[in-house]
Amino acid sequence: GAGVSQSPSNKVTEKGKDVELRCDPISGHTALYWYRQRLGQGLEFLIYFQGNSAPDKSGLPSDRFSAERTGESVSTLTIQRTQQEDSAVYLCASSLGRASGRAGSYNEQFFGPGTRLTVL
Amino acid sequence: RKEVEQDPGPFNVPEGATVAFNCTYSNSASQSFFWYRQDCRKEPKLLMSVYSSGNEDGRFTAQLNRASQYISLLIRDSKLSDSATYLCVSMDSNYQLIWGAGTKLIIKP
Repeated sequence: GAGVSQSPSNKVTEKGKDVELRCDPISGHTALYWYRQRLGQGLEFLIYFQGNSAPDKSGLPSDRFSAERTGESVSTLTIQRTQQEDSAVYLCASSLGRASGRAGSYNEQFFGPGTRLTVL
Repeated sequence: RKEVEQDPGPFNVPEGATVAFNCTYSNSASQSFFWYRQDCRKEPKLLMSVYSSGNEDGRFTAQLNRASQYISLLIRDSKLSDSATYLCVSMDSNYQLIWGAGTKLIIKP
């Protein structure tokens, strides 16, 4: 079946502009994650959605970052007033979910190809 | 201290050799573990999941040592295509996923 898709694949923007990144999770996956990965570094958790529960926003680096998700479908990550330090690959992942009593496989994450953001 | 620690490498290994690297975790309540591989400029891909003492899939074996709080990944008969960064992930009792920064592996002909 179809995997996680993200768009755009590349985005070049000028400092101060807003950008919107999109993620389409695997159908049936209730959990959706956004990560940031700077060049040569590890994954940095940003935000997590699980069904209709309140999202876990603990990883968002500033109030310029926000994300939305409609039900168990598409999610958008918005970065307002972009800064050069925002340049990174933004990765989206989905999993079946995250719930007590479920087998660990429930939490296996599958990633989209990412959006490479360059802020000039 | 980082919750999940990995030797960043790089590990330079000749083709055909066996290589192993470890991942240590600080939360003794961690329940499950995952190994992902990430190729240069690509997204991470799930390699193996570990829910009990270990797992084996072809040339790849993961071993969990709960007493010492580490999980290892062993690659036998390494191939050039195994060159990648290997990411270790732990899942704690709250189902939070904690990512290591990765170990870079280079297989040389």
